[in-house]
Amino acid sequence: QVQLEESGPGLVRPSETLSLICSVSGGTIRTHLWSWIRQPPGKGLEWVGHVSYSGRTNYNPSLKSRVTISLDASTIQFSLKLNSVTAADTAAYYCARLGSDGYSPFDTWGQGILVTVSS
Amino acid sequence: AIRMTQSPSSLSASTGDRVTISCRASQGINGFIAWYQQKPGKAPNLLIYGTSSLPSGVPSRFSGSGSGTDFTLTITYLQSEDFATYYCQQYYSYPLTFGGGTKVEIK
Repeated sequence: QVQLEESGPGLVRPSETLSLICSVSGGTIRTHLWSWIRQPPGKGLEWVGHVSYSGRTNYNPSLKSRVTISLDASTIQFSLKLNSVTAADTAAYYCARLGSDGYSPFDTWGQGILVTVSS
Repeated sequence: AIRMTQSPSSLSASTGDRVTISCRASQGINGFIAWYQQKPGKAPNLLIYGTSSLPSGVPSRFSGSGSGTDFTLTITYLQSEDFATYYCQQYYSYPLTFGGGTKVEIK
């Protein structure tokens, strides 16, 4: 059974880059799409984007200019970078698995990591 | 982007009640809707996909229905562990979008 685990700093300064890693265990990273989803405190869910094993990406247009998602098959991890952060980027960030065709639900989620943007 | 509108945003119910949560899409989504349950401090968990299919391990008291733009999540005989927030999500087109959530609270 695939398991996902997010890691990274819990505090990022305004205007800097938020960087998170999702480690995949118990399964292959060659199939499926690997996504990031975020949730501001007390609010709803927002899809950030995803990456495939081949490196193909798809981003939410609302964040596209600031987001990079990449995959490292050698370490079985994928990562999120969000630059020029502001307080509005404070959220719990979840990594999640999506079916390989991209038209399927998120069937596996990490436990989430809270990232606060503050000086 | 397809907008997903959930109603109500919150409801109070008692153990044993039947609960219905609605989700309306701003355009047709061909049944490509999922429902998730989220408890405080935890990640969402997939409950329903493809309008009415249950993943392995999800209790049969959860069911989904609908077509076109209008969809429903029903919980028959509400259990104590069902008090949580529920989200719908469309995966018909990009960007993938979620409803605003429905919090089911204890009456």
